[in-house]
Amino acid sequence: EAQVTQNPRYLITVTGKKLTVTCSQNMNHEYMSWYRQDPGLGLRQIYYSMNVEVTDKGDVPEGYKVSRKEKRNFPLILESPSPNQTSLYFCASIHGPANKQEQYFGPGTRLTVT
Amino acid sequence: TQLLEQSPQFLSIQEGENLTVYCNSSSVFSSLQWYRQEPGEGPVLLVTVVTGGEVKKLKRLTFQFGDARKDSSLHITAAQPGDTGLYLCAGAPAGAQKLVFGQGTRLTINP
Repeated sequence: EAQVTQNPRYLITVTGKKLTVTCSQNMNHEYMSWYRQDPGLGLRQIYYSMNVEVTDKGDVPEGYKVSRKEKRNFPLILESPSPNQTSLYFCASIHGPANKQEQYFGPGTRLTVT
Repeated sequence: TQLLEQSPQFLSIQEGENLTVYCNSSSVFSSLQWYRQEPGEGPVLLVTVVTGGEVKKLKRLTFQFGDARKDSSLHITAAQPGDTGLYLCAGAPAGAQKLVFGQGTRLTINP
């Protein structure tokens, strides 16, 4: 079954404690992306990756890092989380050209930073 | 400022009624997509429209791409409680390599 998995699904942490949210896809897609979703703002892109070892900033990259060492995995790293990073995070695996992308989303990770 | 503006942001109607959700922009898009998101899940792609004026139907859902490729609409006929969810439009700006999302329309269909 084609899927995108994220872990953990829920996380409560404290300011400054480094954390990683994992994302894995089994569709052999080259393009992957991370979004955060906040009320009234929709989905905003944090980082994306066009292929292994190729990553670039999205619209809201501050405070986040990513890596793409292998095609299937695209972890999101928060080196020093802050309360304004409390949000719902989605990883997406993307198929197709830019004008006909099909995005397959993971189930989401709800992060609370206190 | 959102590149894609959805309206209304919230809509609550009775089962059996018809409704239309709008997605507007001042920019031209190569394509527009509509997603539906249910609580606790990620968005799921419903449709992609590519050609100006294009109309696509998915059972009771009708999607239209504006002639100038700057806007889109989603029309639901005879809404059912199972249509409840957050509807997101997303577009690929002409010449860009990524999608931008509208802020979403939260739809509630009451039995």
